[in-house]
Amino acid sequence: GAGVSQSPRYKVAKRGQDVALRCDPISGHVSLFWYQQALGQGPEFLTYFQNEAQLDKSGLPSDRFFAERPEGSVSTLKIQRTQQEDSAVYLCASSLTGTGVDQPQHFGDGTRLSIL
Amino acid sequence: AQKITQTQPGMFVQEKEAVTLDCTYDTSDQSYGLFWYKQPSSGEMIFLIYQGSYDEQNATEGRYSLNFQKARKSANLVISASQLGDSAMYFCAMSLLRANSKLTFGKGITLSVRP
Repeated sequence: GAGVSQSPRYKVAKRGQDVALRCDPISGHVSLFWYQQALGQGPEFLTYFQNEAQLDKSGLPSDRFFAERPEGSVSTLKIQRTQQEDSAVYLCASSLTGTGVDQPQHFGDGTRLSIL
Repeated sequence: AQKITQTQPGMFVQEKEAVTLDCTYDTSDQSYGLFWYKQPSSGEMIFLIYQGSYDEQNATEGRYSLNFQKARKSANLVISASQLGDSAMYFCAMSLLRANSKLTFGKGITLSVRP
């Protein structure tokens, strides 16, 4: 398909386990964003890539969270030693260009992460 | 810091009627963008409409229009001729040029369309 693809759709992990969430953006999109959405809340920014460069990681809640986009396309968000408060929906979005406020971000369906 | 405020409780509208969803924002920046997204119960975030801070005319996209009042810092979404499929969560969001255009979202408004 032509949209942003995220996998897995659902992930259940035990507290303390590591998880990896994948995002495949729209082909040719320069910018890639990760957001975390708690139940009943709006998404909150985690990190931003322009091609392979991670330009902003100010939203990552702790050093347990790590994101990469090594070849400027697919991105992986990794959470180490998961905790219950990490339970949320993780949304990935991409936009066409690297600059400008007028670029709509196109979102994937998200990964719903549940930590037991 | 930038902030989006959506304070309406759950909204209800009769099918085929128009509805306005409120959004106010706070920023001292001059260059910014305002977006509305729809999130159905299935979870995907769907882009609806965009308004730039320098745009003099209100944005329109089909049945969606954005009532942009810059001096009041409001960017209300108007949905005309509501349909049952419009029932969803609606989020207002802002991007700043100096902040890598990352989106700051409000808490959202739940809209229910009654047949």
